[in-house]
Formats: sequence, C-alpha cells, structure tokens
Amino acid sequence: DTEVTQTPKHLVMGMTNKKSLKCEQHMGHRAMYWYKQKAKKPPELMFVYSYEKLSINESVPSRFSPECPNSSLLNLHLHALQPEDSALYLCASSPDGGTEAFFGQGTRLTVV
Amino acid sequence: KQEVTQIPAALSVPEGENLVLNCSFTDSAIYNLQWFRQDPGKGLTSLLLIQSSQREQTSGRLNASLDKSSGRSTLYIAASQPGDSATYLCAVTQGGSEKLVFGKGTKLTVNP
Repeated sequence: DTEVTQTPKHLVMGMTNKKSLKCEQHMGHRAMYWYKQKAKKPPELMFVYSYEKLSINESVPSRFSPECPNSSLLNLHLHALQPEDSALYLCASSPDGGTEAFFGQGTRLTVV
Repeated sequence: KQEVTQIPAALSVPEGENLVLNCSFTDSAIYNLQWFRQDPGKGLTSLLLIQSSQREQTSGRLNASLDKSSGRSTLYIAASQPGDSATYLCAVTQGGSEKLVFGKGTKLTVNP
C-alpha cells in the first residue's frame, strides 16, 4: 500500500473559522510533510515531521499549526486564515527524511 | 541556495512521438532526484527516483537519467499517449536535508 490519504478533498471556510486538514499513511514512513501549492506554481514546503517531531518549519504564519499525533497521522490546524491562503494543500510521506516521497491527492482549500 | 529549472515550460506533441523533458539544478550536492506527474487539481504521483549514485532509472515507457556533475536530468517518454498529458515536475533533495526543491514543471499535451 503506497497510499497517502488526505481528508477532506475540498474545504470552504470563512476567515473566522477553525478547521483541520488530516493526512494518514500506513506505510511505516517516519517522515511526513505539508506542502502548499498555488495555481500554476510548484509545491512549497511548509512543515516536516521526522519521527513525530517537527524538524522543519519554513517560516509559516502561526495561523497554520501542524500536529503529529502518531507516526501514521499528520494534521494541519487552520485558524483565522486569509483569502490568499486559498490553495491546494498536499501531504507527503517518505520512509526517512530525504528518501522517496509519496504524495496524497490534496485538500483544495478556499477561504472566503 | 538550490534552484531547479525545467525546460520547456510547455510542450505539445502528436500521439506516438518520443519526447524528452529537461531538468537542471544549480547545486550538484544532491541526495536524490525525483520525477513526478501531476494531473490538474490533483496530487503528485511519483514516477521515478534516481539516487545520486545512479545514472538512470526505467519504468515502462519512462526513462530518467541523471548527470550529477553537470546538474542535469532528463525524462524520456517513449511512444507518447494522450493519457500522458499532465504536468511533470522534477524535484531534488540535498544531502542532509529533508526538503524537496521543485522545478516549475513542464506541462505536456499529447494530441490524438
């Protein structure tokens, strides 16, 4: 099973809402990632968790809060987002940091 | 700072044609290079991973080569099909880093 599952597939939220994106993998991978992708642009790294510890935070605004409850799950908590945060949010995992990465299908987020 | 460039930005070919997509990177101290495919609004599908010690990898009609010293990789697609239409992204991982650095992609259209 080489699948990374993201939920929900689509999300519309107001600027005062609090929501969470979820990501799950059962491949025993020890590194998990959040990427943000704007239209017609490449993915941009947001966060990396390695062995359930946050190892990279690419200076992401605090309105995005990652959480890794266990080795299979990765959450991204969203609060007080801006319309410019609308994008495709991609989760990925790899056996170890820097090895082959597998991506989920993404969550299309629209902030209104 | 690593920079990844993909040429061309867009490519349109008739069905059945063999084609080459190019990727170049500025810092040759990479750990690996990965080629992905992305369909519109979808996540990334890993196509091929080349370790820094390898020269090429093959999967079906796809062949990826790596010349680390010159900072170049190519993705060769044989006998292209309309179903190959997608954006192809190249990404590198630096040694000692968990971060994937992406090129901007090549949008491929294969016409029936």
